Amino acid sequence: AQKITQTQPGMFVQEKEAVTLDCTYDTSDPSYGLFWYKQPSSGEMIFLIYQGSYDQQNATEGRYSLNFQKARKSANLVISASQLGDSAMYFCAMRETGNQFYFGTGTSLTVIP
Amino acid sequence: EPEVTQTPSHQVTQMGQEVILRCVPISNHLYFYWYRQILGQKVEFLVSFYNNEISEKSEIFDDQFSVERPDGSNFTLKIRSTKLEDSAMYFCASSSAPGGYFGPGTRLLVL
Repeated sequence: AQKITQTQPGMFVQEKEAVTLDCTYDTSDPSYGLFWYKQPSSGEMIFLIYQGSYDQQNATEGRYSLNFQKARKSANLVISASQLGDSAMYFCAMRETGNQFYFGTGTSLTVIP
Repeated sequence: EPEVTQTPSHQVTQMGQEVILRCVPISNHLYFYWYRQILGQKVEFLVSFYNNEISEKSEIFDDQFSVERPDGSNFTLKIRSTKLEDSAMYFCASSSAPGGYFGPGTRLLVL
């Protein structure tokens, strides 16, 4: 079974609108962390947001928020007020106990002016 | 702003040759990682390093791979005998807290 599943290979959003990028995960570890990274066409990996498995509240970082639904094992990224510069690949990742990371296949987001 | 640096940015090598990819993590970070990304594919975890030893490694990280922290600043990934399928972007990352800061990557091409 895949550890991280991103079912949306590509997404489009109108500038200034909100968009949700889906991520589901599979783990039996009680302690884990969930991450979202952005990879622009230039290739670098940019950390966006983190959610710990024991965190009671959903993580937020500026225009990014993580919709953490533990029972459903989902960790969707919500980007509010999309900007043209948000066009990029977005990767969901999970760290299990022991510090091993698993990445999803990514979602390509295109923001339309 | 502190950043992770990697050298070289690009490396071309012949199959069977050894390569060493170098990384300088952010100075007060304690956790170090290597990842690779084959062109157009997802990022794959290779190894994590803490307290001068490997804390976790993936199935990809077989005997041809090794990591070292030879001094207080550098963190290296050595591939002993490169194969064609080792062609990828290799990212180093470091962290002191959840998240991890990635370096710009080294693009390795094995011919």
